[in-house]
Amino acid sequence: AQKITQTQPGMFVQEKEAVTLDCTYDTSDQSYGLFWYKQPSSGEMIFLIYQGSYDEQNATEGRYSLNFQKARKSANLVISASQLGDSAMYFCAMGWGNRDDKIIFGKGTRLHILP
Amino acid sequence: DSGVTQTPKHLITATGQRVTLRCSPRSGDLSVYWYQQSLDQGLQFLIQYYNGEERAKGNILERFSAQQFPDLHSELNLSSLELGDSALYFCASSVEGRRNTDTQYFGPGTRLTVL
Repeated sequence: AQKITQTQPGMFVQEKEAVTLDCTYDTSDQSYGLFWYKQPSSGEMIFLIYQGSYDEQNATEGRYSLNFQKARKSANLVISASQLGDSAMYFCAMGWGNRDDKIIFGKGTRLHILP
Repeated sequence: DSGVTQTPKHLITATGQRVTLRCSPRSGDLSVYWYQQSLDQGLQFLIQYYNGEERAKGNILERFSAQQFPDLHSELNLSSLELGDSALYFCASSVEGRRNTDTQYFGPGTRLTVL
């Protein structure tokens, strides 16, 4: 069964440090995509980064990078040089390329950046 | 700003009532998705429309219905409302949505409170 697991319900990190948010997934499909979204306290869902299952390079978007380890079925989000504005809920999500189906989301990790 | 608009931002109503949530996708996006986010259930996919046709269905109750109009905006209708329907309702859009590896961009959400 398809599943997304985020094992860290909450994290506290000092400002300027790097942060790794864990995400593991389970699927038997070969074609899929992995997404990370940020949800600040204001409530909106902000798309951060995408990794396709056939992409050989890890995705990067500014301070965000996705550490994709296909064999281990993990897609961890790395935030470099964390900022106070990074405090938010972070969701990992997965969708599939070869069939009509929904995207599924993990339960999220709440990140607190400490000054 | 993702380019997806949702109205209203907040909605307070009573049990048994019916409400309509409205969503306008990003310019050029053909697919619209609806999600419900509650504290106990997390982020749940409700339904997807692609170019006016229903494409995928998730955990949508029979009391809920949606449609996508020729101009591609979408409405989510919630009827016979119960206290448990109180949640944040998101609309998202993607370019195609034929494959769920297309990035979905989320609107700001409608916060529904049922009293």
